[in-house]
Amino acid sequence: GDSVTQTEGLVTLTEGLPVMLNCTYQSTYSPFLFWYVQHLNEAPKLLLKSFTDNKRPEHQGFHATLHKSSSSFHLQKSSAQLSDSALYYCASYNTNTGKLTFGDGTVLTVKP
Amino acid sequence: GPKVLQIPSHQIIDMGQMVTLNCDPVSNHLYFYWYKQILGQQMEFLVNFYNGKVMEKSKLFKDQFSVERPDGSYFTLKIQPTALEDSAVYFCASSLLGGDTQYFGPGTRLLVL
Repeated sequence: GDSVTQTEGLVTLTEGLPVMLNCTYQSTYSPFLFWYVQHLNEAPKLLLKSFTDNKRPEHQGFHATLHKSSSSFHLQKSSAQLSDSALYYCASYNTNTGKLTFGDGTVLTVKP
Repeated sequence: GPKVLQIPSHQIIDMGQMVTLNCDPVSNHLYFYWYKQILGQQMEFLVNFYNGKVMEKSKLFKDQFSVERPDGSYFTLKIQPTALEDSAVYFCASSLLGGDTQYFGPGTRLLVL
């Protein structure tokens, strides 16, 4: 079945430093990739989505590029803000089954 | 943005009883989903539903689970009978089309005693 790997469980940064959260995926079909952000006791909300190779969606200063060659969709931001502290999920949507598979999530903590 | 509502927000129930979790999806959406998140663990897909039918379900979607959306009303997840391991937060989501952005509800926190 499909799988999504987020190598970092916990990332702690100082405000102003760059952010990079890793995401790689495995799927038998060309999936759609998403980044969702979840704040404590809230529902996950869409941060970014990508559909085609080399497209770079951006939202709230975050961006991610889908690289089919390396099956990656890493999340990046040039300068972390305190309000970015949250749980970030990378997810892969299988167009054949309609199933959205989440990674384990990365908790990002931004300190002053 | 589009809102998905879930009722109730919290439910405490005795093991073996039946529980129904209700989801009010975004009004024009066609695809519906349930996810399970145990405290401190990842979000896990349970089932998706389109055109009145289950399209795909995971191994977590046990025989005791069922979903339906009668007459375009709430999209429901029923667990009968409940077990201790069913304690979790259950999130409903909907999307206009398959592969579109899924909008999540706030979750129902289910505790089975």
